[in-house]
This record gives sequence, C-alpha cells and structure tokens, in this order.
Amino acid sequence: SQQGEEDPQALSIQEGENATMNCSYKTSINNLQWYRQNSGRGLVHLILIRSNEREKHSGRLRVTLDTSKKSSSLLITASRAADTASYFCATVDAGGTSYGKLTFGQGTILTVHP
Amino acid sequence: GAGVSQSPRYKVAKRGQDVALRCDPISGHVSLFWYQQALGQGPEFLTYFQNEAQLDKSGLPSDRFFAERPEGSVSTLKIQRTQQEDSAVYLCASSLRGFGYTFGSGTRLTVV
Repeated sequence: SQQGEEDPQALSIQEGENATMNCSYKTSINNLQWYRQNSGRGLVHLILIRSNEREKHSGRLRVTLDTSKKSSSLLITASRAADTASYFCATVDAGGTSYGKLTFGQGTILTVHP
Repeated sequence: GAGVSQSPRYKVAKRGQDVALRCDPISGHVSLFWYQQALGQGPEFLTYFQNEAQLDKSGLPSDRFFAERPEGSVSTLKIQRTQQEDSAVYLCASSLRGFGYTFGSGTRLTVV
C-alpha cells in the first residue's frame, strides 16, 4: 500500500523557476528519501533525510522534514529542462524491519519547459 | 557490474503464460528488493532478500508470484499463469547494507 500523498500530482514550470513538491506520510519513520524517475527508466536516488534532521541540501536540491506534521518537501532551484521527470518520496519505517524497506508515495510529475 | 541489471527490458506475455524476470545486483550487495510499479503509480514492495534468504515476501500479491535468489547474487521473479492485472514495471534494487539503494531500469511486463 502507498505510504502517503504527494502534491501536486503534476507541476509545469519554466526553465529557471523553482519547483516545490510536497509529501505526506502516515507512520513514524527512520528516514525519508526522494527519488527521480525519467520516463521508462529506473529510479535514481536523490537525497536522504533522517528523522532527526530538519533540512538537507545537495546541489540545487533542498529537502525539509517536519516529523510533527509527517510531511516533507523537495525544492529544486533554478530548474532545467533536464529536471523533467517524476519525483517520488519514500519512507523507511522507524519501528519496523531493520533492512530498510521503502514505502513510496504516488509521485509528482514535473515538466520544465525550455 | 557497475549497476543493477534487469532482463528482459520488455516482456509481452499472453494471459496464462508463465514469465521469469531476472535481476543481477551490484556485486557484493547483500540486500535485494523487488518492487512492482503500475502505470502512473509509485512502486510497491514485493519481496526482500538478505543474501539467499527471503526474509520478507509480504508484498507478493498472490501465490502465482515466486522469487528466489539461490546463491545470494542473481535473483529471479517468476509469475505463473499471468493475468492482465500483472501488467506493470518490475523493479529490482540492491544495497550493501540497506538504506543506500541502486535500482535497475526495470522490466516492463505487458499481459495481453
């Protein structure tokens, strides 16, 4: 079953603009991860944020985590046409298995127009 | 190899046919996962291996689905008597010790 909701379901922006995607989840988590998926391809890991972290940066990516609201956001700054893809959040439960089983959201389809 | 390799890349099966999907994980990776991704949805967990041991198969949708990893490296996901609802992309991921996953490009299964 899907862990949570992502919004928006689809986002269309111009190159150079920022893109923000949100993810909500339902359980207590160990960590939350964001993945990118280009059409017809596998998932690429972008960034991981642990439950005791509130914000993390990696290049043009900024992730925030609010465990009290059970939500996370992914910000992509200065977007490029190559950022066009589907973006998924995925969580690893805190009290569950020790092997890092991922539970994914529904995803946000990002389209960046040149 | 450098990444996780899955084969075939595409598979078309007639309803009722058996299929076998292969995953070659990164050499030395202990953990191996299978996920199923329906069109327009996020991936859903199917099963997990630690070396050759299948420690969690709670996500397998029916007893028509079977996975194995006999020598702790290559894994095969087998679907017997395929149905139209089995049409999806099947993703394999491996990890050295959990939390840092590398996904393969997936096998797109279409049941006609």
